[in-house]
Amino acid sequence: GQQVQQSPASLVLQEGENAELQCNFSTSLNSMQWFYQRPGGSLVSLFYNPSGTKHSGRLTSTTVIKERRSSLHISSSQTTDSGTYLCALEHNAGAKLTFGGGTRLTVRP
Amino acid sequence: EAAVTQSPRNKVAVTGGKVTLSCNQTNNHNNMYWYRQDTGHGLRLIHYSYGAGSTEKGDIPDGYKASRPSQENFSLILELATPSQTSVYFCASGEGQGRQNTLYFGAGTRLSVL
Repeated sequence: GQQVQQSPASLVLQEGENAELQCNFSTSLNSMQWFYQRPGGSLVSLFYNPSGTKHSGRLTSTTVIKERRSSLHISSSQTTDSGTYLCALEHNAGAKLTFGGGTRLTVRP
Repeated sequence: EAAVTQSPRNKVAVTGGKVTLSCNQTNNHNNMYWYRQDTGHGLRLIHYSYGAGSTEKGDIPDGYKASRPSQENFSLILELATPSQTSVYFCASGEGQGRQNTLYFGAGTRLSVL
């Protein structure tokens, strides 16, 4: 089965609402990374988070290793937050990253 | 600012032809990666490298070769392109294991094999 699963697959919000994106993994990890991808665009790193909670503006990432999950919280969403959010697991065994399927977020004005 | 440059940005190839996708990074990063992104499959790792002269197979290496002649350059080679290799290809670089291996991605190459 898939090593990294993201939920929900898609999410529609009204501007100003909050979002909680989940990433669950079935293997051990060295770290979890979160990326943002604009439609048709490249990926931009949001967080490198091996464990615990990290904040960046309206974004918060929390990784709980023993529960094999990581989450990305977006507060007070804006239309410019629309796009795809991907989590990626960095394995213990090497430096390769395995990506989840992504959450496609649409924020409506 | 970390910089990863891919070329070409768009490519149309014929079935059975040879295709080379190039990637250059100015970050002095040890690790480099090639991923492809397809609807329904997300990003999948094709090949990666720990440094000049090294190449490692990723999760879907069949039909692809990789070359890392220098720290800065990492190429993906399709010796005999097939329509199933039509995809968007992303190159990335990262500092490597033992350090904060944040990945920096290129803009992507859209490849169509007819």
